[in-house]
Amino acid sequence: DAKTTQPPSMDCAEGRAANLPCNHSTISGNEYVYWYRQIHSQGPQYIIHGLKNNETNEMASLIITEDRKSSTLILPHATLRDTAVYYCIVRVGSGNTPLVFGKGTRLSVIA
Amino acid sequence: NAGVTQTPKFRVLKTGQSMTLLCAQDMNHEYMYWYRQDPGMGLRLIHYSVGEGTTAKGEVPDGYNVSRLKKQNFLLGLESAAPSQTSVYFCASGQIHYEQYFGPGTRLTVT
Repeated sequence: DAKTTQPPSMDCAEGRAANLPCNHSTISGNEYVYWYRQIHSQGPQYIIHGLKNNETNEMASLIITEDRKSSTLILPHATLRDTAVYYCIVRVGSGNTPLVFGKGTRLSVIA
Repeated sequence: NAGVTQTPKFRVLKTGQSMTLLCAQDMNHEYMYWYRQDPGMGLRLIHYSVGEGTTAKGEVPDGYNVSRLKKQNFLLGLESAAPSQTSVYFCASGQIHYEQYFGPGTRLTVT
């Protein structure tokens, strides 16, 4: 599975959009991009995933570049409760192997 | 519907002692996983199971054994605990590999 690169930390003002980048320059055609987050001391929580089209759900939007070498997770109106570590994971969609979590980005939402 | 539960929540062991961590899920999920998370690190996969009676090794399986005798339960065993196994242990389950539901974690200290 392709590796991902994320900034170790980011800050965002409450109420503003939080844009979390992820680089996956070695991604192959059948690999999906997945996002999870982990709020302090809790187990991670699934957010969203995509292959090449942009995706949106009630939690976030996922923007994948046309060449698929990078993506951005967008939290449109960040709240203090969105403070967490966000993990970007790339994996073959039809594979039988589990997800591999990296170190992620620690997002701090500031009042 | 309790989701994923873990027993115990906290435990302190002496070096060389053994113990079993229990993970239970009531969502009829096929897949179950055990991860460990050390301070400042992402999650690392210890073992996983793709169905009742099956187990497979993850990234860091040494020193651990698992069993999945019933679909709803996944047990993680430490035969001879070592200080290096001090960590937070998370169990997860899912019907598909990419969407995993995590338990609240077990904090284990080995002295």
